[in-house]
Amino acid sequence: AQSVTQLDSQVPVFEEAPVELRCNYSSSVSVYLFWYVQYPNQGLQLLLKYLSGSTLVESINGFEAEFNKSQTSFHLRKPSVHISDTAEYFCAVRGGSQGNLIFGKGTKLSVKP
Amino acid sequence: NAGVMQNPRHLVRRRGQEARLRCSPMKGHSHVYWYRQLPEEGLKFMVYLQKENIIDESGMPKERFSAEFPKEGPSILRIQQVVRGDSAAYFCASSVAEGNSYEQYFGPGTRLTVT
Repeated sequence: AQSVTQLDSQVPVFEEAPVELRCNYSSSVSVYLFWYVQYPNQGLQLLLKYLSGSTLVESINGFEAEFNKSQTSFHLRKPSVHISDTAEYFCAVRGGSQGNLIFGKGTKLSVKP
Repeated sequence: NAGVMQNPRHLVRRRGQEARLRCSPMKGHSHVYWYRQLPEEGLKFMVYLQKENIIDESGMPKERFSAEFPKEGPSILRIQQVVRGDSAAYFCASSVAEGNSYEQYFGPGTRLTVT
């Protein structure tokens, strides 16, 4: 069975500092990985995804994630965070033949001035 | 093009009442997924539907929960005889087709509180 582990439940950082949110997965089949962001009282928005090809994927707002098959990881990074990046971030893997997503428990990123 | 719509956004029910949550997928999308987010937890898959068909309900509790996606109208998640443990945020997502490469678009969620 597929599963996703996000080791850090909360990550506090100062503005303009770099950040890494960790995600490890387990899967015995082809892997499709996603990062979603959830702002308070809102739904989830897709941040970036890995389906195939280049192992480094980027979002339009400066986040990037690297698929590492040997370490079964898909960590999310940003070199310099903004206050507006404060949100909860969920890593997910596509599970089963029907395409439902399997989520980690989420990491709350808190950016302080 | 409106996104995925869910209503109500907030729903309060007393124990024993019924809760009905509605999800209108994006225009052109015929695949709907329901997820539940318990406090301090990630989202958990509940059910996957296509028009008039339940494709995968492996994440649905065996009792009190049901879902439908009729030919016309929104998808409905129904919870009968709610209990305090049903308090959670319920999200639906829609996609244009089945398959791992098709993105799921999420609605804003319905936050159910059982008193």
